[in-house]
Amino acid sequence: DIQMTQSPSSLSASVGDRVTITCRASQSISSYLNWYQQKPGKAPKLLIYAASSLQSGVPSRFSGSGSGTDFTLTISSLQPEDFATYYCQQSYSTPSITFGQGTRLEIK
Amino acid sequence: QVQLQESGPGLVKPSQTLSLTCTVSGGSISSGSYYWSWIRQPAGKGLEWIGRIYTSGSTNYNPSLKSRVTISVDTSKNQFSLKLSSVTAADTAVYYCARDSGRGYGMDYWGQGTLVTVSS
Repeated sequence: DIQMTQSPSSLSASVGDRVTITCRASQSISSYLNWYQQKPGKAPKLLIYAASSLQSGVPSRFSGSGSGTDFTLTISSLQPEDFATYYCQQSYSTPSITFGQGTRLEIK
Repeated sequence: QVQLQESGPGLVKPSQTLSLTCTVSGGSISSGSYYWSWIRQPAGKGLEWIGRIYTSGSTNYNPSLKSRVTISVDTSKNQFSLKLSSVTAADTAVYYCARDSGRGYGMDYWGQGTLVTVSS
């Protein structure tokens, strides 16, 4: 299985801050990397697919980059509704799709 | 707008089989090139992919669960289903169904999730 490791596991930030979350794959996954946002009691929401493509309807303050084994999700200016848990997910290796362990973004 | 809704028992006894159904509305489950997936999340923990079924009926399963999982589709009802056998308390989780647009596109539509508790 391809292991996905996110860092940090948790992060405190303020409204207006620029935030970066990192995801590292245990082997190259090309650009087959997706990012999700999950709020408490809700289903995950797709933010970024194919490492850097913004899902329809997602604000442009979210961006993704990377290829191979190292990827980042950046929120350019945090808004109150962005405080949530973020997951990366690789879709390179089937049959075993894997998620990162999550990064909890909290209000400072 | 595609919508997915999970349904099934919220309580399952240990050693029994967990059975859930996902009903898809707003589009045909047999049209397009989509995978229909199951994902679960134990309380306070991360997401675990269980498996998926393609429009053609072919399936992929998480190797760690493969011996206990069956995913099937009923195109006449626009539904797909999950069966997980020989459950234990470790299978207690919120179970989500989702549409996966395939390699490079991500899971773009999700159900709201349903909590399944394994307990006697």
